[in-house]
Formats: sequence, C-alpha cells, structure tokens
Amino acid sequence: KAGVTQTPRYLIKTRGQQVTLSCSPISGHRSVSWYQQTPGQGLQFLFEYFSETQRNKGNFPGRFSGRQFSNSRSEMNVSTLELGDSALYLCASSSTPGPYNEQFFGPGTRLTVL
Amino acid sequence: DAKTTQPPSMDCAEGRAANLPCNHSTISGNEYVYWYRQIHSQGPQYIIHGLKNNETNEMASLIITEDRKSSTLILPHATLRDTAVYYCIVRVDDFGNEKLTFGTGTRLTIIP
Repeated sequence: KAGVTQTPRYLIKTRGQQVTLSCSPISGHRSVSWYQQTPGQGLQFLFEYFSETQRNKGNFPGRFSGRQFSNSRSEMNVSTLELGDSALYLCASSSTPGPYNEQFFGPGTRLTVL
Repeated sequence: DAKTTQPPSMDCAEGRAANLPCNHSTISGNEYVYWYRQIHSQGPQYIIHGLKNNETNEMASLIITEDRKSSTLILPHATLRDTAVYYCIVRVDDFGNEKLTFGTGTRLTIIP
C-alpha cells in the first residue's frame, strides 16, 4: 500500500506570494491533518479534515487555509507569505479521526520564503 | 491537552536497550500515550501507543506506570538506524476536538 505523498517536495517563494501544497493520503484513509515544523517552534498542528469537513484547527492566522476533496486528497494554502512561514509542512493521514488510530506522515514539503 | 516532558538528548550503545522516559503528570483518564520518531528530514514515524496497559510491537515496548504519570519507550536492541528524535505525545479521546501535540522530543544517538 502506497504511503502518504506530498507535492511538491521543495518550494521557493517570495514574500507576499501565495502557495498551495498537496497531500494524497493512504488509500482508504479519510482523515488528513496538516502540521508545520520549524526549528524554533517544533511541530505544530495546523488543521484536520475528515470527509471534506474541517474538524479541528490550530492557532494559526487566517492566511493558512485548507480543504479536502471527495477522494480524501487535501490541499493547504498560505496567502501573503511571510519569511516566518518558511518551514517543513507535513501531512498525516489516518483511517478515521481519534486517538485510537495512528497517523501516518508524508515526507513533507519544504517551503522557503525569500 | 496534557503536556509531556522528555530529556533533550540521550546516547545508547549499539545493541543495547534504549530506554526513553517521558513525564506526563497531568494526563487525564481518556488520553492515550503515543510515541513517534523523526529521522532527519523525514516525516514522523509512528512507533507505538497505549492507554494504561503495557504494549509491545515489532518495533518497541511501551511501559506506562500505574498512575499513568510517566512512561518509558524501550527499543530492545538499538541499531544505528534508530538514531532519531523521539516524541512522546498524549492524545485526548474526545471526538471533534482532538489533535496531536508534539513536545520537543528526545534526540537519541546510537553509538557504534
């Protein structure tokens, strides 16, 4: 069974631009979560989607948004990029939401904002 | 969410058992303990999880104290490939309001 895939793997943008990252969960998984990882803040939860609905949201500004499609694939969008948005963005999928099910992480998209 | 405390770094000799402690003194009764690890530049990898009983799988064992305020992840025969940052996390059993919250983790270095 293929793992979680994320595209692109690397991205360079400039301040003020917007970016869209994509995540394809493991086949059959309907829950997708997004995380931001930076050296200073560690891994921080962005949001979680299940059956095309956002279930949870972390403490990030409205510039960060996401969505999930009927095939469970998910995208996250960051508008008006800032230097501090440079990070590794990780996507994780699980069969259903809830702490009984482990999340499987993708390799991440490394975003650099210049 | 309950918070976790882990030592920032540990060393372990190759072939020996690596014992990684985690303190979660504010854990509540419906929170699970999860362990993940992250090898440099990769996404976190699930290792094991438990509620109150000790657990074992092909990767590791998880020992949770009776009061559930701390736990220990045991890698029985550490190899060089086990060098990674290990995260201990607690997750609440509350459908509709649940997420993984990672702490700072323990950087485990396996020494040849």
